[in-house]
Amino acid sequence: DGGITQSPKYLFRKEGQNVTLSCEQNLNHDAMYWYRQDPGQGLRLIYYSQIVNDFQKGDIAEGYSVSREKKESFPLTVTSAQKNPTAFYLCASSTGQKDGYTFGSGTRLTVV
Amino acid sequence: QQQVKQSPQSLIVQKGGIPIINCAYENTAFDYFPWYQQFPGKGPALLIAIRPDVSEKKEGRFTISFNKSAKQFSLHIMDSQPGDSATYFCAASIRSGGYQKVTFGTGTKLQVIP
Repeated sequence: DGGITQSPKYLFRKEGQNVTLSCEQNLNHDAMYWYRQDPGQGLRLIYYSQIVNDFQKGDIAEGYSVSREKKESFPLTVTSAQKNPTAFYLCASSTGQKDGYTFGSGTRLTVV
Repeated sequence: QQQVKQSPQSLIVQKGGIPIINCAYENTAFDYFPWYQQFPGKGPALLIAIRPDVSEKKEGRFTISFNKSAKQFSLHIMDSQPGDSATYFCAASIRSGGYQKVTFGTGTKLQVIP
């Protein structure tokens, strides 16, 4: 079955630590996205990528970094510069045309 | 101009009732309006979507009503069931810089009571 796989499901980060969230898709989609979800705030765009080796900042990119070395993969690194990283992180993909997104099941990141 | 305002924030209905979730937008360049359903601990899933050249779309028990002149659209769930209890997000998208930029509403938490 085609879909998006996010791992891990739960992640705990210590203060000052960088962590990387994995996102893999087998839908052959060109575009991939990372969103952050906080209660009562909907989904906010962190980064997006339309093609391999190219990505753009979204609305809340500070403290995050991404790479797109393969079409299937779009990992997100939450750096120590992100002051409030506790949130639910969602990866999505689309064909890039006028259609909906396919989302992964999310990674819940908690700072300990 | 890129905002999508969604209401209510939460909604409780009895089984069989018809919950209605409303969204409003400002940017008339939006050209695709999807709705997503999200269960706790899961990612959102595309439920139904509409383009601005039609006023209504039905898929099973879910209906989108679209009012282009008022810049509003709404989701109706007919004969609601406890299994419909979830958070619903409206969204609006526009083609910008070669990619489809999506703006999400803040979500409506629906609870259907048996």
